[in-house]
Amino acid sequence: AQSVSQHNHHVILSEAASLELGCNYSYGGTVNLFWYVQYPGQHLQLLLKYFSGDPLVKGIKGFEAEFIKSKFSFNLRKPSVQWSDTAEYFCATLGKVSNRLAFGKGNQVVVIP
Amino acid sequence: DTEVTQTPKHLVMGMTNKKSLKCEQHMGHRAMYWYKQKAKKPPELMFVYSYEKLSINESVPSRFSPECPNSSLLNLHLHALQPEDSALYLCASSHTSGRAYNEQFFGPGTRLTVL
Repeated sequence: AQSVSQHNHHVILSEAASLELGCNYSYGGTVNLFWYVQYPGQHLQLLLKYFSGDPLVKGIKGFEAEFIKSKFSFNLRKPSVQWSDTAEYFCATLGKVSNRLAFGKGNQVVVIP
Repeated sequence: DTEVTQTPKHLVMGMTNKKSLKCEQHMGHRAMYWYKQKAKKPPELMFVYSYEKLSINESVPSRFSPECPNSSLLNLHLHALQPEDSALYLCASSHTSGRAYNEQFFGPGTRLTVL
């Protein structure tokens, strides 16, 4: 089954710092990759997704991610974070047949004003 | 309308109670999902419905009973729950075909506390 792994589960940084969260996926042929964000007390929101095409994906709220096939990676980036980016970030991949969405363990990001 | 709604937002129940969680979407999605999420953990898939038929049951205990009355509604019936079942229960929906449309839209969840 396809799966993703996330590292550095707890990230603390100051406002205006750059953020990069790693996500590695297991090889399974076709890829469907997502980054979701969950702000404190709120529901999961889709930041961006990749199915095919341009490997540099632009998402909402100034986030982007780059799909690098040779590294099996789909890392999330934001050049300059704000306090409001404090949240839990989940990478996920979708099963080809079952619509089963497999999440990574998540990154808890805290931005200090 | 790109919204998945869930009711109630919060639910407190005893171990002998029977209650139901409700989920609704009007995006024309024919796949609907129940997830369970513990604090600081990723969502865990419980059930998947496709075209109103149960297609995946992730070995969920029978005290959780899903129901899909029609293409817009999804219920989760709860009976004889345990305190460890306390969690955020998320509903999601998606299209069923075409890779580009398999994005899952999540509802705000029901925060369940079992006493």
